[in-house]
Amino acid sequence: AQSVSQHNHHVILSEAASLELGCNYSYGGTVNLFWYVQYPGQHLQLLLKYFSGDPLVKGIKGFEAEFIKSKFSFNLRKPSVQWSDTAEYFCAVNPSGSARQLTFGSGTQLTVLP
Amino acid sequence: EAGVTQSPTHLIKTRGQQATLRCSPISGHTSVYWYQQALGLGLQFLLWYDEGEERNRGNFPPRFSGRQFPNYSSELNVNALELEDSALYLCASSLWARSTDTQYFGPGTRLTVL
Repeated sequence: AQSVSQHNHHVILSEAASLELGCNYSYGGTVNLFWYVQYPGQHLQLLLKYFSGDPLVKGIKGFEAEFIKSKFSFNLRKPSVQWSDTAEYFCAVNPSGSARQLTFGSGTQLTVLP
Repeated sequence: EAGVTQSPTHLIKTRGQQATLRCSPISGHTSVYWYQQALGLGLQFLLWYDEGEERNRGNFPPRFSGRQFPNYSSELNVNALELEDSALYLCASSLWARSTDTQYFGPGTRLTVL
């Protein structure tokens, strides 16, 4: 069975700092990869996803992620964070072509200080 | 366009009782997924319904069950409630049943078992 690891449980940054959140997955086959965000008091929303093609994908609100197959990683990045980026971020994976359910990482709480 | 809706927002039950949670997918979406977000356990896949059929279930006991209606709405039933069933239950829907499809999440039902 696949698993997802997010090693940073809580990240605190000042506004304008750069962000990188780590995500590693364990699965031997081809996978689809997702980053979801949960803003305070709101429901989960998709930030970006990767399933094929260019391993550097761009999402909403200036976020991007890079898929590195050899490292089984899909790290999320943003060059300059804003206070409004304070939220919990979840990495998720599902195997291509078979199961549809998402396997989520434990989440990273990002706090951006004004 | 309305998003995924769930009812009720909060539900309080006692041990041994049954709980029924409801989900209405985005209009036109045929697949519905249920996830449990319990404290300390993260987001875990429960059930997947597509075109009225249960397609897959996660590692949960049989007292977690559900169904999907002809209008694609769905119901999650939890029988013989236990204290550890206290969690946020999230419903998601997708347009089709492809692994690359984005799952759109609802706001969740907070179930508290006393």
